[in-house]
Amino acid sequence: NAGVTQTPKFQVLKTGQSMTLQCAQDMNHEYMSWYRQDPGMGLRLIHYSVGAGITDQGEVPNGYNVSRSTTEDFPLRLLSAAPSQTSVYFCASRSRPRGNQPQHFGDGTRLSIL
Amino acid sequence: AQKVTQAQTEISVVEKEDVTLDCVYETRDTTYYLFWYKQPPSGELVFLIRRNSFDEQNEISGRYSWNFQKSTSSFNFTITASQVVDSAVYFCALSAKGNYQLIWGAGTKLIIKP
Repeated sequence: NAGVTQTPKFQVLKTGQSMTLQCAQDMNHEYMSWYRQDPGMGLRLIHYSVGAGITDQGEVPNGYNVSRSTTEDFPLRLLSAAPSQTSVYFCASRSRPRGNQPQHFGDGTRLSIL
Repeated sequence: AQKVTQAQTEISVVEKEDVTLDCVYETRDTTYYLFWYKQPPSGELVFLIRRNSFDEQNEISGRYSWNFQKSTSSFNFTITASQVVDSAVYFCALSAKGNYQLIWGAGTKLIIKP
């Protein structure tokens, strides 16, 4: 019962480096999203996808890139890491793009940018 | 615009006390959905409950209960006879019908002391 799987769990980067956070779900969910969680600010939406080949920006998209080539995978790319991107990142999925279904979350990736 | 306010940043109670976590929301949509999630110290996000705007019945699940009041735009969460395992950050979130995004409150950190 994998659900939403995120890798890696922890990562330390230097300023300017790039990397990809992986997210995969095995529930055939149409909707997938990436959030960042910072202390005292709740979760903020970075990017989301309503299906393979369709992505859109959320509240805080700058410095991040996404793609959705398959229903299962939704990687998040940091193009040139900055200290302000130090955060905990969560990937989530939901069966339908709209509506009242709860989102299922991965366990998170704790990212530190030095 | 949509907004979720959790005014209580942190609450600390002694085990077995009852505690209520407040959630106030703003939306112009007539159909919307409210959620509560729990984030224990281990960091994962756990879905607790979903409430539709057209269903104002309160809900009870064991020691947990939720009070939804449209007149005051509130969706409060009460834990009866709290236990140490209830210690976590609790998030309230809002989604409008037809909207992709989930709007999150900043969270309330609940500390249950033995």
